[in-house]
Amino acid sequence: NAGVTQTPKFQVLKTGQSMTLQCAQDMNHNSMYWYRQDPGMGLRLIYYSASEGTTDKGEVPNGYNVSRLNKREFSLRLESAAPSQTSVYFCASSGAGHYEQYFGPGTRLTVT
Amino acid sequence: DQQVKQNSPSLSVQEGRISILNCDYTNSMFDYFLWYKKYPAEGPTFLISISSIKDKNEDGRFTVFLNKSAKHLSLHIVPSQPGDSAVYFCAASAKEGAQKLVFGQGTRLTINP
Repeated sequence: NAGVTQTPKFQVLKTGQSMTLQCAQDMNHNSMYWYRQDPGMGLRLIYYSASEGTTDKGEVPNGYNVSRLNKREFSLRLESAAPSQTSVYFCASSGAGHYEQYFGPGTRLTVT
Repeated sequence: DQQVKQNSPSLSVQEGRISILNCDYTNSMFDYFLWYKKYPAEGPTFLISISSIKDKNEDGRFTVFLNKSAKHLSLHIVPSQPGDSAVYFCAASAKEGAQKLVFGQGTRLTINP
């Protein structure tokens, strides 16, 4: 039981490049989330998926797209990376009716 | 507009003493509150939570207090141990928010031997 896994752990991109961050959970959770963490800002919600087949914008969605591929997997795509997207990205999941979210280990992304 | 605020970026406490971490919120629709602990290079881990129908929840060395009228919650750790050194985030959720969490900025707790 791995919980929430994220790949890659680290990534360096040049401005304008694209990439997809992968997330998978094996807890049979309905809801999945993508956050970014910046110094002094806490965790801010980018996008979330309340259930398979649905996605919604969070607090800071600009510059990102998501895909809920199936119940297990939720990916985050940066179409044209910008230096302002340098951050640590966390994926999380939660079970139906539960507020507690379980987080992956994070992806540290640097855009130069 | 910061709906959840942790006004102390850092806190230093001696081992064995009580650590008190504070959190304030502005949205009266929040009805569930959580504390997360985060070590460097790891994801946040859930620590303890409290529903708005309660004013206290206890789990071992950790107790969370909720003062709804003041829109304030606090996390007490007694006794503090070196392994408690981490960044602590408080988070809040509204019933109508699809279990979305709004996080505070975090407080870095250092326990000194």
